[in-house]
Amino acid sequence: GQQVQQSPSSLVLQEGENAELQCNFSSTATQLQWFYQSPGGSLVSLLSNPSGTKHTGRLTSTTVTKERRSSLHISSSQTTDSGTYLCAIDRNSGGSNAKLTFGKGTKLSVKS
Amino acid sequence: DPKIIQKPKYLVAVTGSEKILICEQYLGHNAMYWYRQSAKKPLEFMFSYSYQKLMDNQTASSRFQPQSSKKNHLDLQITALKPDDSATYFCASSQGDTQYFGPGTRLLVL
Repeated sequence: GQQVQQSPSSLVLQEGENAELQCNFSSTATQLQWFYQSPGGSLVSLLSNPSGTKHTGRLTSTTVTKERRSSLHISSSQTTDSGTYLCAIDRNSGGSNAKLTFGKGTKLSVKS
Repeated sequence: DPKIIQKPKYLVAVTGSEKILICEQYLGHNAMYWYRQSAKKPLEFMFSYSYQKLMDNQTASSRFQPQSSKKNHLDLQITALKPDDSATYFCASSQGDTQYFGPGTRLLVL
């Protein structure tokens, strides 16, 4: 089956530093989404980016579909960015038939 | 206001019992899903529904039965509970290429 591998598994930063998170997947993805999971467990969608580059706030995602990889860049990290970042893909046509497969995540800790 | 409501937030059950996890979404989406996250595994897809019809089922056990009484409701009935069913169960919905997740129900089976 398809697999999603994320690296690094954990990352510790000083506040203000940038972070680069990687996601590699084993089969073609028609849908790719980055999520933030808070220490309390809630899941927040950050970006949907099946190809190309997308920005929102301090986040930039770049997905190279042919190479089956995506990255999430967090600039000027803040302590409130601490949590787990999850990459998820779907290889269906999306919409109502979507079935996300998740990676194990990158646990980010930002120190003040 | 929360757009996807899951009830209860926490649930403790005894082995062999039956529980229903509630999910309601107020995003106007036609597609709804259930996912499970246990301590040692990544988030796993369980079911997808569209317009109240089952689209995909990746749950091997028939003990897990989704129920959709209304377009914006997708409950999950779990029967004959086992300790291995202990996990956080997330409901999600989507329109287009983005899925939005509820806060989850944390289930502990003793």
